[in-house]
Amino acid sequence: GQNIDQPTEMTATEGAIVQINCTYQTSGFNGLFWYQQHAGEAPTFLSYNVLDGLEEKGRFSSFLSRSKGYSYLLLKELQMKDSASYLCAVRDGTGGFKTIFGAGTRLFVKA
Amino acid sequence: GAGVSQTPSNKVTEKGKYVELRCDPISGHTALYWYRQSLGQGPEFLIYFQGTGAADDSGLPNDRFFAVRPEGSVSTLKIQRTERGDSAVYLCASSLTSGGGTDTQYFGPGTRLTVL
Repeated sequence: GQNIDQPTEMTATEGAIVQINCTYQTSGFNGLFWYQQHAGEAPTFLSYNVLDGLEEKGRFSSFLSRSKGYSYLLLKELQMKDSASYLCAVRDGTGGFKTIFGAGTRLFVKA
Repeated sequence: GAGVSQTPSNKVTEKGKYVELRCDPISGHTALYWYRQSLGQGPEFLIYFQGTGAADDSGLPNDRFFAVRPEGSVSTLKIQRTERGDSAVYLCASSLTSGGGTDTQYFGPGTRLTVL
């Protein structure tokens, strides 16, 4: 079956670092995406991993371990505007390009 | 340039009625995706088009749902005999290619469908 798990909610303090974990079980694998979604808005792309290792982009980094079916999103120097839902998504890749999304992790950044 | 646009932004209908939701992808994007998202959940895949053809429609929940993309650009999601459980935000996304490389999906603002 297809399953993506991530924590429902997290709270962190402005200026701190937070790590949002994602584990997945999918029929196939052709890349893992992280999206940010503010309340009432569309998801926006943050990062993409297809090979094992860490991808860094400014304050955001994403890590992938395909053998463990595991990824994390690392947010540094948290700002209040980072309060949003963070969606982990896996592109299946088995004969198609269906993308399976997790339920999202709601991050609350407090002063 | 213009992003993905969706119309209407809100649609309220009665149970049993027919609705059409429209998506205008980014110009030049060959791939188009439809998702629906319920409160507190991630987007749920419905269907994916590569050009004019539906490359993967395995996410459509039943035969009341149908989508077309006749000219490889604008797409319409059609829902027949709507039910209250169809109430959700319907998101459309487009990407430049069909899965090679990053293939970032750019999402539209969504259509909020409410079935009374």
